[in-house]
This record gives sequence, C-alpha cells and structure tokens, in this order.
Amino acid sequence: DVKVTQSSRYLVKRTGEKVFLECVQDMDHENMFWYRQDPGLGLRLIYFSYDVKMKEKGDIPEGYSVSREKKERFSLILESASTNQTSMYLCASRTGVREQYFGPGTRLTVT
Amino acid sequence: RKEVEQDPGPFNVPEGATVAFNCTYSNSASQSFFWYRQDCRKEPKLLMSVYSSGNEDGRFTAQLNRASQYISLLIRDSKLSDSATYLCVVTGGSSYKLIFGSGTRLLVRP
Repeated sequence: DVKVTQSSRYLVKRTGEKVFLECVQDMDHENMFWYRQDPGLGLRLIYFSYDVKMKEKGDIPEGYSVSREKKERFSLILESASTNQTSMYLCASRTGVREQYFGPGTRLTVT
Repeated sequence: RKEVEQDPGPFNVPEGATVAFNCTYSNSASQSFFWYRQDCRKEPKLLMSVYSSGNEDGRFTAQLNRASQYISLLIRDSKLSDSATYLCVVTGGSSYKLIFGSGTRLLVRP
C-alpha cells in the first residue's frame, strides 16, 4: 500500500517560533509537494521538488522554505511562524503526471 | 479570475439521484485533467482521470470539453458514501504543477 506520512497530525506553535513539518514517501517518487488548504481558497502550492536538492517556488512561498536532502523526505520550514500561517498543510508525491498521493495532513495552529 | 473554478455547493440530493458537477479552467495549455475526492478532515484522493473522449468508472462519468474549457463529473445512483467534496484538478503551464479547484461539496441524504 502506497504511503505518504507526515510527522504530526496536529501542532500548536507560538508566533515567532521556527516550525518544521516533515514528510516521507515510500514510493520512490521524484516529485514532492507542499500545499496549504484553507476554507474557500482550496489547495495552494507552497513549494515543490522534482529531485533531491532541487526545489521550486509554488504560488505562495513567502514565509516558507523547504529542504530535500533525500529522495523520500521533503521538509517544510516556517522560519518565524505567524498567525496567518495557521492552516492545514498537506504533503504530496507523484511520478510524472500520474496519480498524486497525499499525506494525512498537519493541522497547524499558530497562537 | 481563478485558474480553476467550481461551484462550491453544497449539492444536497437524495439517495439514488443523479448529480452533475462542472468545472471551468482558464489555461488552454492544460493537458491533464482529474477529479479528486476529499472526505471531511481527510486528504484528497484520486477519483478518476478525465480523457478527451470521456470516460466512465462504474457510476461515475467524466467529460472534457477543450473548446469550452470545462470538465464535468456525473454521478448516477448516488449513495450516502458519495458525500464528500469533489475537487477538479488540471495541470498548469508546467506539467509538474497541478491546479486544484476549491471543490464542490456533495451531501447525499437518505
């Protein structure tokens, strides 16, 4: 069974904290993605990576950075968390334009 | 204008009904099209790809109209378990990027 896992389901952080969200896939996919999902706005792409150590900005990269040191792992970093980064964060992976598999999501609350 | 637009609903239908959703997209260069399903508090999962000739998977039929830039999903004989949000998805200018609509919510009542 294919799997994308995320390090936490729920996370509460304080404003200004550095936050790490981890994502691991076991399908040997080249492409990995980080999205945030907010009511009425749908899924918005933050960053993606098409290979180890490669990264590309998505539509809303401000306030975020990413790291991909190994093929199976893609990390999202909030350098200094702010309340407007309270959201559901979804990691995904895929090969080519085939099915994209999502992790279960991390609901982050920044207070 | 959003790149992918969907009616948010909710569509509230009785069991056994036929229901159809449409989605429009703005990028005429989009090459691949999909419907994803997202249950409440769960991650999206692929429901079906959408092919130019139209395709069917059991009770679900997807159609693509490239000239008018819209995609449709028809669900026949609705089940309670079909209650979910249906996301229309298209590829953007780069094949790496999937553009997700905000979703159409379906509620199937007994």
